[in-house]
Amino acid sequence: DIVMTQSPDSLAVSLGGRATIDCKSSQSLLYPSSYKNYLAWYQQKPGQPPKLLIFWASTRESGVPDRFRGSGSGTDFTLTISNLQPEDVAVYYCQQFYTTPRTFGQGTKLEIK
Amino acid sequence: QVQLQESGPGLVKPSETLSLTCTVSGAYISSGSYYWSWIRRPPGKGLEWIGYIFYSGSTDYSPPLRSRATISRDTSKNQFALKLNSVTAADTAVYYCAREEGNRLLYWGQGVLITVSS
Repeated sequence: DIVMTQSPDSLAVSLGGRATIDCKSSQSLLYPSSYKNYLAWYQQKPGQPPKLLIFWASTRESGVPDRFRGSGSGTDFTLTISNLQPEDVAVYYCQQFYTTPRTFGQGTKLEIK
Repeated sequence: QVQLQESGPGLVKPSETLSLTCTVSGAYISSGSYYWSWIRRPPGKGLEWIGYIFYSGSTDYSPPLRSRATISRDTSKNQFALKLNSVTAADTAVYYCAREEGNRLLYWGQGVLITVSS
């Protein structure tokens, strides 16, 4: 199985500030034939299902504010949230789609400082 | 607009079988290159992928659950289902159904809380 490890487990950022969440996979998620990284990022708020933010490591889903940016390739990925807003308080997960089982990171809880 | 809705008993006794159904609207589960998936989130923990059924009917499961889980479908009702047998308290979780497409889980149900307790 591909192990996904996120860091940190939690972080607190000031309103208007920048949050950076890292996700590391135990093997490369770069698919040779497509040259795409099969990694997605989700945001989950209490009582709600996860919401897709980013897929293929850096492609923003339609309707997601451009404050959310995904980057990285291979085994190291980052979700950056700029100009932090109160509605960004949530748990964030990465997930790999390179192979089954489709494993998730353990989650990163983002709070306002 | 694609919508998914989970339904289930809410409370299951230990050692019994958990049965959940996901009703899909706005899309046909037997067409398109989609994977109809089950994911769960135990209380205080992160998301866990359980498995999926492909539009063709083939299935795949998370190895720790493979011996206890069965995902099936009823195309006449446009539903897919999860059965998990021999449940324990560790199976207490919010269970979600979702559609995987293009290497992402775009559409999700609202989730249903299943508690395993006597």
